[in-house]
Amino acid sequence: AQSVAQPEDQVNVAEGNPLTVKCTYSVSGNPYLFWYVQYPNRGLQFLLKYITGDNLVKGSYGFEAEFNKSQTSFHLKKPSALVSDSALYFCAVRDIGGGSYIPTFGRGTSLIVHP
Amino acid sequence: DAGVTQSPTHLIKTRGQHVTLRCSPISGHKSVSWYQQVLGQGPQFIFQYYEKEERGRGNFPDRFSARQFPNYSSELNVNALLLGDSALYLCASSTETGVADTQYFGPGTRLTVL
Repeated sequence: AQSVAQPEDQVNVAEGNPLTVKCTYSVSGNPYLFWYVQYPNRGLQFLLKYITGDNLVKGSYGFEAEFNKSQTSFHLKKPSALVSDSALYFCAVRDIGGGSYIPTFGRGTSLIVHP
Repeated sequence: DAGVTQSPTHLIKTRGQHVTLRCSPISGHKSVSWYQQVLGQGPQFIFQYYEKEERGRGNFPDRFSARQFPNYSSELNVNALLLGDSALYLCASSTETGVADTQYFGPGTRLTVL
């Protein structure tokens, strides 16, 4: 069975500082990993995904994520945080090896960027 | 281009009632998925449809059902509502159902069961 863990319920960072939102996963086959962002009372917006290839994936709004197979992690990063980045971030995984294309989402991490 | 649209935005029902939620996918997308997001949790997969056929079902009771129409829009139906059904219901569309396909989410329908 596939699973995703977002170990931090909340991440606080000052505007202009780098940010990291952590995600670890467990799959039986090759992982397909996604990051989404959710603003209050809104649906999820796609940020980026890892399918294969380069371990560093670049996405929307200056975000990037690093795939680390040995540590089974897919942390979301941004070099310089903006107050407008404050939102709820979700990591999701799909595992083709398990025969299921159904994505599993983490519980979410609330990112708060302080002015 | 219009994104995924959902209706209604908000809905209040009482226990035992039935509800129908509607979703229109992005133009050109043939797959629609439904998710339930309870406050403080990530989205939980309910159903996926592609070309009017059910392609996946999550761990939800039979009170939950869905269908997809020829124009690729979709309905989620929930019978015999329980207090625990109160949640944000999200619809997502994608071009196909492949493991690498990106799903694009609508704004959701907030269902409150009293």
